[in-house]
Amino acid sequence: AQTVTQSQPEMSVQEAETVTLSCTYDTSENNYYLFWYKQPPSRQMILVIRQEAYKQQNATENRFSVNFQKAAKSFSLKISDSQLGDTAMYFCAFKSGFSDMRFGAGTRLTVKP
Amino acid sequence: DSGVTQTPKHLITATGQRVTLRCSPRSGDLSVYWYQQSLDQGLQFLIQYYNGEERAKGNILERFSAQQFPDLHSELNLSSLELGDSALYFCASSPPGSKTYEQYFGPGTRLTVT
Repeated sequence: AQTVTQSQPEMSVQEAETVTLSCTYDTSENNYYLFWYKQPPSRQMILVIRQEAYKQQNATENRFSVNFQKAAKSFSLKISDSQLGDTAMYFCAFKSGFSDMRFGAGTRLTVKP
Repeated sequence: DSGVTQTPKHLITATGQRVTLRCSPRSGDLSVYWYQQSLDQGLQFLIQYYNGEERAKGNILERFSAQQFPDLHSELNLSSLELGDSALYFCASSPPGSKTYEQYFGPGTRLTVT
């Protein structure tokens, strides 16, 4: 069964600095997608970035980028130039054609002024 | 705003009662997913509907049921409520034929069972 592990329950970063959130997953499938979702205090789940397992190039969305290491089954999220509005819970998620969406337990990120 | 709507926003009810949560997917989306998020935890998949048919089932209790109507809105029914059912319930939708599997979430319904 696919599992998603986020080993950092909480992290903090100074405004304008860079922070990396870790995620590992377990699967025997070759084709799947990985996602990072952001959940701010409003509790809305917001899609931040996605990565297809077949693409070697790491996905980038503005200040958000991923480091996808397929062999290591690792999918970390890098947030550059952190802003106060980045304060949120961040969830890593896995989805394939054969599974429902599996979420990690989340990392609570606090951006300090 | 994801385009997915959920009502009500908040619901407070007593143990043993029954409630119905409602979800309208984004325009054009045929799939609806329901998730449960207990306090400060990850999301647990409950059930998926696609164009009115049940497509996949997760850890959904027998006391819970769902359906998707011809206009594609979906309802999640929770009965014989227990204190442990207090949680945030999310609905999500995804585009038909999507090969990228992304899901767009509604704002959630916060259920409090007292």
